[in-house]
Amino acid sequence: EIVMTQSPATLSLSPGERATLSCRASQSVSSSYLSWYQQKPGQAPRLLIYGASTRATGIPARFSGSGSGTDFTLTISSLQPEDFAVYYCQQDYNLPPTFGQGTKVEIK
Amino acid sequence: QVQLVESGGGLVKPGGSLRLSCAASGFTFSDYYMSWIRQAPGKGLEWVSYISSSGSTIYYADSVKGRFTISRDNAKNSLYLQMNSLRAEDTAVYYCARPSSSGWGLGYWGQGTLVTVSS
Repeated sequence: EIVMTQSPATLSLSPGERATLSCRASQSVSSSYLSWYQQKPGQAPRLLIYGASTRATGIPARFSGSGSGTDFTLTISSLQPEDFAVYYCQQDYNLPPTFGQGTKVEIK
Repeated sequence: QVQLVESGGGLVKPGGSLRLSCAASGFTFSDYYMSWIRQAPGKGLEWVSYISSSGSTIYYADSVKGRFTISRDNAKNSLYLQMNSLRAEDTAVYYCARPSSSGWGLGYWGQGTLVTVSS
């Protein structure tokens, strides 16, 4: 099983600041199979990024993804109030599909 | 618009059974593979099971293999998860999900249904 490790666990930032979230895979993952999700309390996850760097439909341009191999990054260029949430990376390159443990982006 | 609506959750005793349903609408259900993902209270996301568009290919997480059965009825636009021999650690919100139109990533999720396993 591929273990996805996200860091940091919590990111405390102010609106307008840049957020950089990291996701590391225990073995190489094809970029095509790396996705990022946002989840707010009481809501289902929402797909932000697929293929490591492609924004899903309707996702603002302030969200960007990058990386390859074992290291992937989600960047939020300028945090908006609605961006404070938990973010998960996920691979489905190998079975079973696995999620990272999440990074909580909270208001400082 | 794409809609996924889960139902069937509730309180069940350890060792008991429950059948979850996911009603799909707004798209051609038989064109897409479907997945179940769960989230224990206050915890992260865990993939549970996958079924191909035709139902011919099925995968399970090791944690549920032999106890859970995924199925689908394309004529009824419905996905199911039969859960037997339930344990306390199966307590979670269960989501059904569909890939995005690009085929990559899980682009559509239901609102989830809560399963609580407790005596």
